[in-house]
Amino acid sequence: GQNIDQPTEMTATEGAIVQINCTYQTSGFNGLFWYQQHAGEAPTFLSYNVLDGLEEKGRFSSFLSRSKGYSYLLLKELQMKDSASYLCAVIDSNYQLIWGAGTKLIIKP
Amino acid sequence: SQTIHQWPATLVQPVGSPLSLECTVEGTSNPNLYWYRQAAGRGLQLLFYSVGIGQISSEVPQNLSASRPQDRQFILSSKKLLLSDSGFYLCAWSVAGEIEKLFFGSGTQLSVL
Repeated sequence: GQNIDQPTEMTATEGAIVQINCTYQTSGFNGLFWYQQHAGEAPTFLSYNVLDGLEEKGRFSSFLSRSKGYSYLLLKELQMKDSASYLCAVIDSNYQLIWGAGTKLIIKP
Repeated sequence: SQTIHQWPATLVQPVGSPLSLECTVEGTSNPNLYWYRQAAGRGLQLLFYSVGIGQISSEVPQNLSASRPQDRQFILSSKKLLLSDSGFYLCAWSVAGEIEKLFFGSGTQLSVL
């Protein structure tokens, strides 16, 4: 079966750095997304990786290793507003989106 | 610019009652349209997707149905709601043939009591 694994919950301190990991086992691979979702709101797009390596976008960076079936989202200079769930999703060989359950990130002052 | 509207934002319905959630997209034509459900603490589950008017693909067998009467209108319905239908429902769109970026509506929190 197809599976996306990410930690259920993480806690970090304001101003610090946190890395949220995602591993996947899917039938084929056509890209990986990270979305941010605040409680009770719709997910918003953060990043899309299709090639190996690191994509940096301001305070957020996303890394992909296709050979390892692994990605991480790196958040720097954490702010209280970064408290949210972070969803990892993979496009499989049939161009279907497979979603992880999300990682709830709690930021403490 | 493109926008997506979804309503209502919250809904409380008794078991056995009907359901109609509506989603419209503006600023684009021939979008791919999606209905997702998100149960508490779980990933997004694709319910239906549509690549054109009247074309609906169902991903999960259930007592829900979807319709696309117009190019930019997507409706999620049920004749009789079950307790298990409770959840957060999200409409989304993408450019036809490009799933690389999904744009989500604001969501509907449905509570079936």
